[in-house]
Amino acid sequence: DVKVTQSSRYLVKRTGEKVFLECVQDMDHENMFWYRQDPGLGLRLIYFSYDVKMKEKGDIPEGYSVSREKKERFSLILESASTNQTSMYLCASISSGSHNEQFFGPGTRLTVL
Amino acid sequence: DQQVKQNSPSLSVQEGRISILNCDYTNSMFDYFLWYKKYPAEGPTFLISISSIKDKNEDGRFTVFLNKSAKHLSLHIVPSQPGDSAVYFCAASKYGGSQGNLIFGKGTKLSVKP
Repeated sequence: DVKVTQSSRYLVKRTGEKVFLECVQDMDHENMFWYRQDPGLGLRLIYFSYDVKMKEKGDIPEGYSVSREKKERFSLILESASTNQTSMYLCASISSGSHNEQFFGPGTRLTVL
Repeated sequence: DQQVKQNSPSLSVQEGRISILNCDYTNSMFDYFLWYKKYPAEGPTFLISISSIKDKNEDGRFTVFLNKSAKHLSLHIVPSQPGDSAVYFCAASKYGGSQGNLIFGKGTKLSVKP
């Protein structure tokens, strides 16, 4: 079974802190994605990556950056957390060329105080 | 501009009856559609998909219908069970575009009452 894991299920941070959200997949997938989910807004794509050291902006990249140093790991970074970044963050992966479903991690519920 | 729309934020159905969740899209380049199910505090899980060359795909209690001319798809759950209570997301993708890049709707919260 494909497994996508996220480093934390729940996280509480203070405004201005630097926050790292880690995602690891074990199926050698090339493509990885970071979304945030907010009530009434669905899933919105923040960043995605097609390969190591490659990254592309999604629909809402402002306030975020990413890092993909290894194929299995995709990190989302909040350089200076703000209260409007309180959200559920979801990581997903898919094999390149696959016209199929993405596999999601369990999510990280981030609260910024 | 929202390319994938789920106009009903919530739906309540009696156990044993049919649940119909609807989704509309605007981009005619979409050629693959998926439904995901999400429980609170969990990641979405894939439910069922359909290619644009088909108009129906069935998997057990779940059937997805695609009407390309109307740019509309629907998910039917028969019979509905209390365990089906979750948020359902419709998603679409374009082959030849960003591989695996999905556009999601805002979701419909389904409540199945015993």
